[in-house]
Amino acid sequence: QKEVEQDPGPLSVPEGAIVSLNCTYSNSAFQYFMWYRQYSRKGPELLMYTYSSGNKEDGRFTAQVDKSSKYISLFIRDSQPSDSATYLCAMSVKETSGSRLTFGEGTQLTVNP
Amino acid sequence: DADVTQTPRNRITKTGKRIMLECSQTKGHDRMYWYRQDPGLGLRLIYYSFDVKDINKGEISDGYSVSRQAQAKFSLSLESAIPNQTALYFCATSDPNRDTQYFGPGTRLTVL
Repeated sequence: QKEVEQDPGPLSVPEGAIVSLNCTYSNSAFQYFMWYRQYSRKGPELLMYTYSSGNKEDGRFTAQVDKSSKYISLFIRDSQPSDSATYLCAMSVKETSGSRLTFGEGTQLTVNP
Repeated sequence: DADVTQTPRNRITKTGKRIMLECSQTKGHDRMYWYRQDPGLGLRLIYYSFDVKDINKGEISDGYSVSRQAQAKFSLSLESAIPNQTALYFCATSDPNRDTQYFGPGTRLTVL
């Protein structure tokens, strides 16, 4: 079983829709949770970072973590065509000498004008 | 200028050839990583280095080797390339205070 499972998509939504992207994980030691966005032919870029259960907002983006259910989500409000990209969840355990990230498979999102 | 650069950006090679992918960073981070990305499999860690003298295998290191020439440079080698190493390769550096990683633009490698 993979440590991190991500809804594979692809998702196609109309402009203005609310988008929900989801990941589940099995390793209860994960402490840090991230969402990366990857545009076509580019490297992933950090979108959201959190380390506690609950919600964290940044503009149109909300990251939600539920450690008891081992579940994280990313919500995008008022989605725009520029949000079309692949979204990757990532999580890490703090180790003595540094941390390594474990990524989900990615969800490809297309927002149609 | 980009903080993390990778060369080459695209490479086509033949089975059995030796290939080196290079990564340079100007972020001043000690930690550097090599990943490969395949459709449906996400990003998988090949090797990582927490400082110049520290090299560690990731989950898929077989068939790969690395060299950390300096704090800013981390190279990935395929000693004898095979077709199933065809993938998108990413280098990354990390900020130790937040465990977040910064990725280069990627190298698209095709092994025929």
